[in-house]
Amino acid sequence: EDQVTQSPEALRLQEGESSSLNCSYTVSGLRGLFWYRQDPGKGPEFLFTLYSAGEEKEKERLKATLTKKESFLHITAPKPEDSATYLCAVSGGSNYKLTFGKGTLLTVNP
Amino acid sequence: DTEVTQTPKHLVMGMTNKKSLKCEQHMGHRAMYWYKQKAKKPPELMFVYSYEKLSINESVPSRFSPECPNSSLLNLHLHALQPEDSALYLCASSAGQGTNEKLFFGSGTQLSVL
Repeated sequence: EDQVTQSPEALRLQEGESSSLNCSYTVSGLRGLFWYRQDPGKGPEFLFTLYSAGEEKEKERLKATLTKKESFLHITAPKPEDSATYLCAVSGGSNYKLTFGKGTLLTVNP
Repeated sequence: DTEVTQTPKHLVMGMTNKKSLKCEQHMGHRAMYWYKQKAKKPPELMFVYSYEKLSINESVPSRFSPECPNSSLLNLHLHALQPEDSALYLCASSAGQGTNEKLFFGSGTQLSVL
């Protein structure tokens, strides 16, 4: 059974204080690892897809990396508008659906 | 246009009511999904339509009835719901049904069952 564990559950940062969110996964034959951002009461917004170990993708202050066991979402010099829940999800093996982690609630204080 | 539009944004219904949630996308996507999300939990898959045919039903109670009238529209008909069905209902679409495809989510319908 595919498993996704995100840590920490919650993270508070000061504006400009860089940090990383972790997504550890267990899947048989990874087809894709996805990062989404979700604001309260809204649907998840797609950020990145990573397909193979060593792959990296960047978007503004966010950078996602992938190894064979985990993915990191690095946030450089965050701003208050980066505050949201960040969800990680994997697809792989014979599983026909995405397996989501429980998310990391990021709060960036001004 | 990269949007998935859901209506209504909020819905309050009694346990004897019948209501419908609506979802629309104009990206030419051939797979559409219904997810249910409780507070502080990840989304849970309910149904998948691929090429307008129901391909996955995650053993959802029959009080939830999905419908896909055409490739752009997805409905979720609700009847005799329970208070525990209160949640954010999310519609999503993807170009195909492959699980390596990214999902585009709508903003959701916040449902309260009294």
